[in-house]
Amino acid sequence: EAEVAQSPRYKITEKSQAVAFWCDPISGHATLYWYRQILGQGPELLVQFQDESVVDDSQLPKDRFSAERLKGVDSTLKIQPAELGDSAMYLCASSWSGTGGTEAFFGQGTRLTVV
Amino acid sequence: EDQVTQSPEALRLQEGESSSLNCSYTVSGLRGLFWYRQDPGKGPEFLFTLYSAGEEKEKERLKATLTKKESFLHITAPKPEDSATYLCAVQAPGSSYKLIFGSGTRLLVRP
Repeated sequence: EAEVAQSPRYKITEKSQAVAFWCDPISGHATLYWYRQILGQGPELLVQFQDESVVDDSQLPKDRFSAERLKGVDSTLKIQPAELGDSAMYLCASSWSGTGGTEAFFGQGTRLTVV
Repeated sequence: EDQVTQSPEALRLQEGESSSLNCSYTVSGLRGLFWYRQDPGKGPEFLFTLYSAGEEKEKERLKATLTKKESFLHITAPKPEDSATYLCAVQAPGSSYKLIFGSGTRLLVRP
């Protein structure tokens, strides 16, 4: 069964350090999402890709966060420098279509703890 | 602005006690309403997609329904393994077709 792969599963980093997360979507899925989920809340979109292009990054803190999806396949989300408030679950999801009406499938997430 | 509100925030049921979870939404041009199940420390697991008012989907003890303003997730004779957080999300063109999530309902089913 096809799955969205994320790594690492857990990451502990000191504030002001750099951290990176990797996501490999389901093969053939053109749309890739990065979400952040704070404990007890629903996921919130950070960035959305259609193939290799950014469709929505309106909620991405661009002074410290960056995301790329080279060749329109796997993707990397980076935080530099990390802050205490960045502690959260970072979720990657992919879907076949970017024009709505198709479900997105999520990976297991990366739990980030900033100390 | 597209919004999703879920209620209740938390729900405790006895095994076998049926109930419903609510998802109210405000969105222009709904393209899909999605239900997910999320276990602690894991990513959301897709359950259902609903597209238009009147539509219903079923899977085991779960049944999802949709009206023009809200969706319900009905749980019939729940078992302890149904305990999880249930998330509702909507998708619309005005929001770049991103999934806009509610804050979820934490369900606990006691044996």
